[in-house]
Amino acid sequence: AQSVAQPEDQVNVAEGNPLTVKCTYSVSGNPYLFWYVQYPNRGLQFLLKYITGDNLVKGSYGFEAEFNKSQTSFHLKKPSALVSDSALYFCAVRVDNSGNTPLVFGKGTRLSVIA
Amino acid sequence: GAGVSQTPSNKVTEKGKYVELRCDPISGHTALYWYRQSLGQGPEFLIYFQGTGAADDSGLPNDRFFAVRPEGSVSTLKIQRTERGDSAVYLCASSSYGRPTTDTQYFGPGTRLTVL
Repeated sequence: AQSVAQPEDQVNVAEGNPLTVKCTYSVSGNPYLFWYVQYPNRGLQFLLKYITGDNLVKGSYGFEAEFNKSQTSFHLKKPSALVSDSALYFCAVRVDNSGNTPLVFGKGTRLSVIA
Repeated sequence: GAGVSQTPSNKVTEKGKYVELRCDPISGHTALYWYRQSLGQGPEFLIYFQGTGAADDSGLPNDRFFAVRPEGSVSTLKIQRTERGDSAVYLCASSSYGRPTTDTQYFGPGTRLTVL
């Protein structure tokens, strides 16, 4: 079975500092990895995904993530955090097969950027 | 363009009642998904439609839950004999189904269901 772990419930970072939100995954097969962000009372917004190719994926709002197969990780990063980045972040994984497999989400990490 | 819409945004009901939650996907998207998000958790998969048919309903928790998509666009999630444990945010997502496992799913704002 596939699973995702987000080991930190909360990440605090000062505005202007780099931020990292961690994600590790477990699948049998090739993983497809996604990051979503959720603002209060709003649905999930897609940030970026890794399917194949370059391990460094660039996404919306200056976010990027690096796929590391040996460490089974897909950490989300941003060089300089903004107060407006404060939100709930979800990592998700699907496994490559010929049919549909559900998108499996982590529990989420709450990012708080302090001015 | 318009995103995924869900109605109502909030629904309060009493234990034992029947509820319907509606999802209107992005125009042209053939794949539609329902998820349930409990407090402090990530979304959990319920059911997936490809066109009009339920391609995967393995996430439905029991037979009180049912979903339809009769014309391949709007979908309705139906919950019979609601229980307090059904209280959650119900999220709908759609994707274009070029290739299901790699397509990006776009989510609606959700319906917050509260069962008293």
